[in-house]
Amino acid sequence: DQQVKQNSPSLSVQEGRISILNCDYTNSMFDYFLWYKKYPAEGPTFLISISSIKDKNEDGRFTVFLNKSAKHLSLHIVPSQPGDSAVYFCAAVHGSSNTGKLIFGQGTTLQVKP
Amino acid sequence: DGGITQSPKYLFRKEGQNVTLSCEQNLNHDAMYWYRQDPGQGLRLIYYSQIVNDFQKGDIAEGYSVSREKKESFPLTVTSAQKNPTAFYLCASSMPRRGRETQYFGPGTRLLVL
Repeated sequence: DQQVKQNSPSLSVQEGRISILNCDYTNSMFDYFLWYKKYPAEGPTFLISISSIKDKNEDGRFTVFLNKSAKHLSLHIVPSQPGDSAVYFCAAVHGSSNTGKLIFGQGTTLQVKP
Repeated sequence: DGGITQSPKYLFRKEGQNVTLSCEQNLNHDAMYWYRQDPGQGLRLIYYSQIVNDFQKGDIAEGYSVSREKKESFPLTVTSAQKNPTAFYLCASSMPRRGRETQYFGPGTRLLVL
């Protein structure tokens, strides 16, 4: 049972334009969400997170939006750069968790074309 | 430099053989995790440890074993009981803050079966 879903396996965007990566979740008890970026043959690196008490968090070119009623979050990258080409994973943490266990989506491969 | 190291980068396993993947961190993190990544899939949790000499099964623990004798080290053994071991293995660590912590990942080990 996939509790965190990234329904778009891939996304292609022109350099300078906005990239929007989407993530849906099914468990209303998730209350903390993270986005990770992963290059091939490397470990994921943390990008940005958001708590369920917020609906938006911004860090430079990266903004995460959370719509709790829709159980949906999105990552916006503006402007997109070729170096942003990677696999992006969203992850969720259960509100009752004290283990830090992350539930990951399947990932979306972003390609930013020069 | 603080970080997480995994070795080797590539590992080959023969049929019926046990192999051990190394994970070391010098971030002084209490919690450590092992994930498996397969093509087109997200990261799936194999085992995690919140404190020395204690560890818990994740979602796909069958065919794997771990130990946590030191805070810095969390080796993963892929046993002969794991029938489909070919994958990219990622180790992570975090400092638990009731589920709000960020997990930091190592560079990964790719395991291939001969």
